[in-house]
Amino acid sequence: DTAVSQTPKYLVTQMGNDKSIKCEQNLGHDTMYWYKQDSKKFLKIMFSYNNKELIINETVPNRFSPKSPDKAHLNLHINSLELGDSAVYFCASSQEGWTGELFFGEGSRLTVL
Amino acid sequence: AQSVTQLDSQVPVFEEAPVELRCNYSSSVSVYLFWYVQYPNQGLQLLLKYLSGSTLVKGINGFEAEFNKSQTSFHLRKPSVHISDTAEYFCAVSDRYLGNTGNQFYFGTGTSLTVIP
Repeated sequence: DTAVSQTPKYLVTQMGNDKSIKCEQNLGHDTMYWYKQDSKKFLKIMFSYNNKELIINETVPNRFSPKSPDKAHLNLHINSLELGDSAVYFCASSQEGWTGELFFGEGSRLTVL
Repeated sequence: AQSVTQLDSQVPVFEEAPVELRCNYSSSVSVYLFWYVQYPNQGLQLLLKYLSGSTLVKGINGFEAEFNKSQTSFHLRKPSVHISDTAEYFCAVSDRYLGNTGNQFYFGTGTSLTVIP
């Protein structure tokens, strides 16, 4: 079983559309994250959730909204997509009590045309 | 907040040669250090980590790293690289444990290692 899984893996859409990326982890972790990786491979933290509470929001536009229906899921919804949103989005999770490791999904490549 | 600097954006090296990928971080009272590897079209996976104890840390695939507190560095090394080591390598730092509210990680900008046959 894949520890952290994201869907879809590839997403191509037009500017102005709304899209969602789903993430699920089966590791029993308490904290989940969304990272954005741009074309230069730079990783930027977007959000993290613990026990359904948002604990990090790094100046991300409010067009991006994370939604966590339960501890195992953290979905990313994006409204009014812009060209600059094209990137690879990674979901990750970690364990409270801290083993010191982030577990990443395989990424979702978003292309906005 | 921490900052992580990976000085080399691209490192070409011949197969079976040694390699060192450099990582420096901003100073803090205590830090936890990581190296992650990203193979093409994949997510990141942990190579090794330093939490405490011995400053020389061994990881998967023959990689090792040395924590140097005085130089605030955590350089990654491998004595003999293989073609399959071609990937993007990220250094990461976490400087606090936020209790039950999760952890904060800071990533460097990555080093692209290309192993030449």
